[in-house]
Amino acid sequence: AQSVSQHNHHVILSEAASLELGCNYSYGGTVNLFWYVQYPGQHLQLLLKYFSGDPLVKGIKGFEAEFIKSKFSFNLRKPSVQWSDTAEYFCAVHSSNTGKLIFGQGTTLQVKP
Amino acid sequence: DAGITQSPRHKVTETGTPVTLRCHQTENHRYMYWYRQDPGHGLRLIHYSYGVKDTDKGEVSDGYSVSRSKTEDFLLTLESATSSQTSVYFCAISEGSQREKLFFGSGTQLSVL
Repeated sequence: AQSVSQHNHHVILSEAASLELGCNYSYGGTVNLFWYVQYPGQHLQLLLKYFSGDPLVKGIKGFEAEFIKSKFSFNLRKPSVQWSDTAEYFCAVHSSNTGKLIFGQGTTLQVKP
Repeated sequence: DAGITQSPRHKVTETGTPVTLRCHQTENHRYMYWYRQDPGHGLRLIHYSYGVKDTDKGEVSDGYSVSRSKTEDFLLTLESATSSQTSVYFCAISEGSQREKLFFGSGTQLSVL
């Protein structure tokens, strides 16, 4: 079955620490990949997306993600997190074969000041 | 923010009662979606619409129905609410079928007692 897996459910970091959140998917064929962020009390917002081209994608607020096709992964990274990055992060994968957009379970990031 | 309004923002209801959630958009986007967000499950697609009177089922459609009589409104109905339908419901819209950018509403917190 098609699935999206986020391995880290809850991550706690201190400010200035580096961040990497894992995302793996099980689709075949052409995929479009997304990371969404949900700040406390707010709705989801698009952080970054990959459709084609350079597998290293830059997003807003210093986030980036790398698409590694051979590993079916799209990990989110940030070199130095801030307290304001505290939020829930969702990976999502759209399959051109099925037309479905499936979200991962989400990762809660807590950044301590 | 995209012009998406969800109503009500909060609802408490009893098991067995019908409930209708409304999503209203001012963007004239063709595609509209209803997701539910639950801890450990991320976002799961309930139903979506690709035009007026054109709807289709998502991953977790049992117990839900939808209607779209005009472009700007997408209604989600729980015919007979159950406690398992306690969740946060998000409406989303996109201009294209590839869902290259989903805009989300602020969500509706539904509690079924």
